Amino acid sequence: DTGVSQDPRHKITKRGQNVTFRCDPISEHNRLYWYRQTLGQGPEFLTYFQNEAQLEKSRLLSDRFSAERPKGSFSTLEIQRTEQGDSAMYLCASSLTGSDTQYFGPGTRLTVL
Amino acid sequence: AQSVAQPEDQVNVAEGNPLTVKCTYSVSGNPYLFWYVQYPNRGLQFLLKYITGDNLVKGSYGFEAEFNKSQTSFHLKKPSALVSDSALYFCAVRPNFGNEKLTFGTGTRLTIIP
Repeated sequence: DTGVSQDPRHKITKRGQNVTFRCDPISEHNRLYWYRQTLGQGPEFLTYFQNEAQLEKSRLLSDRFSAERPKGSFSTLEIQRTEQGDSAMYLCASSLTGSDTQYFGPGTRLTVL
Repeated sequence: AQSVAQPEDQVNVAEGNPLTVKCTYSVSGNPYLFWYVQYPNRGLQFLLKYITGDNLVKGSYGFEAEFNKSQTSFHLKKPSALVSDSALYFCAVRPNFGNEKLTFGTGTRLTIIP
């Protein structure tokens, strides 16, 4: 199965530490999205890329958050100086231009102690 | 701004009975509407979508959904529920142009009772 993959699946960190997550989209999908899902809520959009260009960022994405997709393939999401409020499931999705369907990965669950 | 409402946090249905999970939306312009399902410790799985055309769309695992423009609704349905349908269901919307981000509802937990 060549679906969207995310690494790690779980991350526990202490407040103030930096964390980085990776997302590998479905092969040949040129669009990549990051969402955040907290307990009892639906996913909330963070940002998206078309190829290597970051085209939209949510106001949820504070200065401590940065996302990259340097070669238009995999993407990383970094959170600096983590806070307890950053604890959530971080979901990655990908799609192909011309297709409206976003396919999601299994997510990375972040716990900030 | 776009939004989705899923008015029921929890829906319980007896196995073999028909099920409905409700969704209403608000979006500028024409909507693209989606249903996803989430199983424990797993990501979202795409079920079905409405883009244009027939108001009744069919998707995976025997699910279907009916788009009603006048009521701004997109309810998910299945004629005969299975225990394996028990999961968390999310409705999502985006406009048909100019905005790639999906806006999700808060989810409905569907429990099928044997």
